[in-house]
Amino acid sequence: EIVLTQSPATLSLSPGERATLSCRASQDFSSYLAWYQQKPGQAPRLLIYDASNRATGIPARFSGSGSGTDFTLTISSLEPEDFAVYYCQQRSNWARVTFGPGTKVDIK
Amino acid sequence: EVQLVQSGAEVKKPGESLKISCEGSGYNFNNDWIDWVRQSPGKGLEWLGIIYPADSDTSYSPSVQGQVTISVDKSITTAYLQWSSLKASDTAIYFCARRNGGYDDYWGQGTLVTVSS
Repeated sequence: EIVLTQSPATLSLSPGERATLSCRASQDFSSYLAWYQQKPGQAPRLLIYDASNRATGIPARFSGSGSGTDFTLTISSLEPEDFAVYYCQQRSNWARVTFGPGTKVDIK
Repeated sequence: EVQLVQSGAEVKKPGESLKISCEGSGYNFNNDWIDWVRQSPGKGLEWLGIIYPADSDTSYSPSVQGQVTISVDKSITTAYLQWSSLKASDTAIYFCARRNGGYDDYWGQGTLVTVSS
């Protein structure tokens, strides 16, 4: 099973700052990686798929990069609504999906 | 508009059975896989399994294989997640999600299952 590690666990930033979130995999699985945002009391929301493609309706301030075992989600300038928990997800195999433990982006 | 609407919160005792539902609308339900994902209290997301409504092809995470059953009734565009004997550790929020292009683009609102004696 591919294990995903996210860092940092918590990122404390102010609105307008740049956020850089990391997701590292225990083995190479190409670029079948997604990023989701989850706010309290809500379902996750797909932000990025295939490592670098924005999902429908996602603002351009969200971008993804990486391949192999190292991936990054960047939020270029944090808006108040961006403070949330972010999860990476891999699907190296159609029926073997795993999530990272999450990074909480909170207000400094 | 694509929607996945899940059944309401449940409170059960250990050993009881339960079946929760996820009704899809606004798209061709038969043609897209449905994932089930668990979120234990204060924890992250855990993938449980997947089903293809057209032929009920199903796959489970090894962590829950034999513990839960995923099924579908395509005549009413509804997927199900069920337990025959609940445990306290099954307490969690359960989400269904549509798998489209390999990723979960639409999610249900979640069903809170509480198992307590």
